Amino acid sequence: EPEVTQTPSHQVTQMGQEVILRCVPISNHLYFYWYRQILGQKVEFLVSFYNNEISEKSEIFDDQFSVERPDGSNFTLKIRSTKLEDSAMYFCASGVALNTEAFFGQGTRLTVV
Amino acid sequence: AQSVSQHNHHVILSEAASLELGCNYSYGGTVNLFWYVQYPGQHLQLLLKYFSGDPLVKGIKGFEAEFIKSKFSFNLRKPSVQWSDTAEYFCAVNGNSGYALNFGKGTSLLVTP
Repeated sequence: EPEVTQTPSHQVTQMGQEVILRCVPISNHLYFYWYRQILGQKVEFLVSFYNNEISEKSEIFDDQFSVERPDGSNFTLKIRSTKLEDSAMYFCASGVALNTEAFFGQGTRLTVV
Repeated sequence: AQSVSQHNHHVILSEAASLELGCNYSYGGTVNLFWYVQYPGQHLQLLLKYFSGDPLVKGIKGFEAEFIKSKFSFNLRKPSVQWSDTAEYFCAVNGNSGYALNFGKGTSLLVTP
């Protein structure tokens, strides 16, 4: 069964550093998403990406964040100048069309120290 | 403001007990409704979804949910839970023209033998 894969599963970084979280969406999917879940809180939408551009983003997704689809398979989330409060589980998801189910990856646990 | 509420944060049941998890939403316009499950150490998986049609939706593993438009609710049910249903359950909503899933805070279900 095709699945969304995320690497790494756990990333520890020092405050102020840049991190890149990587995702390989399901191959025939066209819509890509990043969500995050801070420990003890709900899953929050960050950004959606379609046709090589951001289609929607939340208030959380400020200039510190960027997304990219550098080739035909990867979908990355870059977090610049990380802060302690960026520590969270980051989930990538993909969908075949708008308003269909999103398939989630296993997440990357980001710890900023 | 758009919101999703899950009323039960922690539920403990014995095997074979019946389950009902509440989900209410506050959204304008047409919505799509989802229940996701996260088993320990695994990714979010779709249990069931409602877009239109029959408001009683059947999903995987014997789960079902009923969309009651007048109550803005989409409660999840299972007549007889098993130990393997121990997991975190998330209700999610998106507007018909939106990309983002808005998640509830989740309900942690523990099924005891």
